[in-house]
Amino acid sequence: DQQVKQNSPSLSVQEGRISILNCDYTNSMFDYFLWYKKYPAEGPTFLISISSIKDKNEDGRFTVFLNKSAKHLSLHIVPSQPGDSAVYFCAASASGANSKLTFGKGITLSVRP
Amino acid sequence: DAGVIQSPRHEVTEMGQEVTLRCKPISGHDYLFWYRQTMMRGLELLIYFNNNVPIDDSGMPEDRFSAKMPNASFSTLKIQPSEPRDSAVYFCASSPGGLSNQPQHFGDGTRLSIL
Repeated sequence: DQQVKQNSPSLSVQEGRISILNCDYTNSMFDYFLWYKKYPAEGPTFLISISSIKDKNEDGRFTVFLNKSAKHLSLHIVPSQPGDSAVYFCAASASGANSKLTFGKGITLSVRP
Repeated sequence: DAGVIQSPRHEVTEMGQEVTLRCKPISGHDYLFWYRQTMMRGLELLIYFNNNVPIDDSGMPEDRFSAKMPNASFSTLKIQPSEPRDSAVYFCASSPGGLSNQPQHFGDGTRLSIL
């Protein structure tokens, strides 16, 4: 039972355009969400996060939006760059120091020059 | 500043053999996590430690898997006996505090192939 779902396995966008990566979750106890980026043969690296008390968090070209009623979040990258080509994982956790991170299966983003 | 260090990077072994994966967390990080990544199941948490003590091992698939953290700078994940379905990429991660708001830092993984 996948509690964090990234239903689109891949996305291809043109350099300079916006990339929108989507993530859905089913566990209403989740209140903290993260995005990780992973290049081949490397481990995931933290990109951006958002708490459920917010509906938007921005860091440079990266913005995460949270829609709690729809149990949906999205990562926007604008403008997209070829170096953004990677696998992006959505992750979620519930409150508490001992909460686990639950990951989605990832989306492969390809940014075409 | 060194990140999380995993060894070996690649391991190929025959079914039935014992496999030991190693991890050195970032100095000062109190939490250490072992994950497994497969195409079918994505990234799954196997076990995590806080201050060298195992907190939650509910993700460990079967008794063939065991993990230890004898000190703050070293952890092992052992599979004995190994089976072909154990083939995956195994990641170790560490974080300085509680899971809710402390991003985890991942090593580059061990790609395990069981023949």
